[in-house]
Amino acid sequence: RKEVEQDPGPFNVPEGATVAFNCTYSNSASQSFFWYRQDCRKEPKLLMSVYSSGNEDGRFTAQLNRASQYISLLIRDSKLSDSATYLCVVDYGQNFVFGPGTRLSVLP
Amino acid sequence: DVKVTQSSRYLVKRTGEKVFLECVQDMDHENMFWYRQDPGLGLRLIYFSYDVKMKEKGDIPEGYSVSREKKERFSLILESASTNQTSMYLCASSYQGAYEQYFGPGTRLTVT
Repeated sequence: RKEVEQDPGPFNVPEGATVAFNCTYSNSASQSFFWYRQDCRKEPKLLMSVYSSGNEDGRFTAQLNRASQYISLLIRDSKLSDSATYLCVVDYGQNFVFGPGTRLSVLP
Repeated sequence: DVKVTQSSRYLVKRTGEKVFLECVQDMDHENMFWYRQDPGLGLRLIYFSYDVKMKEKGDIPEGYSVSREKKERFSLILESASTNQTSMYLCASSYQGAYEQYFGPGTRLTVT
């Protein structure tokens, strides 16, 4: 069975905090990994791809640990506008499998 | 700017009705997908298509069929709607070999 697992949260953090999400996957042959963001009542949108060497985009850092089969997303200096559900996505050959998402609420 | 549109934002149907959900993309994408999203379960792939007239089953195809007669349009069909098909349905598209999927706004279907 294809598995992508995430802690559903919610993660409630104050503005300016650093927060990290993890995602585990079961397919050791997966090659592509992504984080999508989904705002309440909106469609998912690509946040960033996850590369083997790790990658950073402003306040967001994504990392991949192939040996342990997990990926992570770190958000520094959280903003109110970061409040959303973060979906981990992993390729399983022909298509992609989405995790159930982790909900983040950044509080003033 | 990529645009994926879905025919309805909200739809209410009765048990046993035939339901058509339409999805159109304007970026000449080869790949198109249909997902349903339920609380706690995330997005689950129903069907996908990599080319016109081509279709592949996803993880939960039972009770659904699809049609792709034109490259830009991918239709999801519920032959006989049931209450357990009440869900949010999301269509997505992407270039062949590319990884970013662009999603439509979703159709919230309620079957009573």
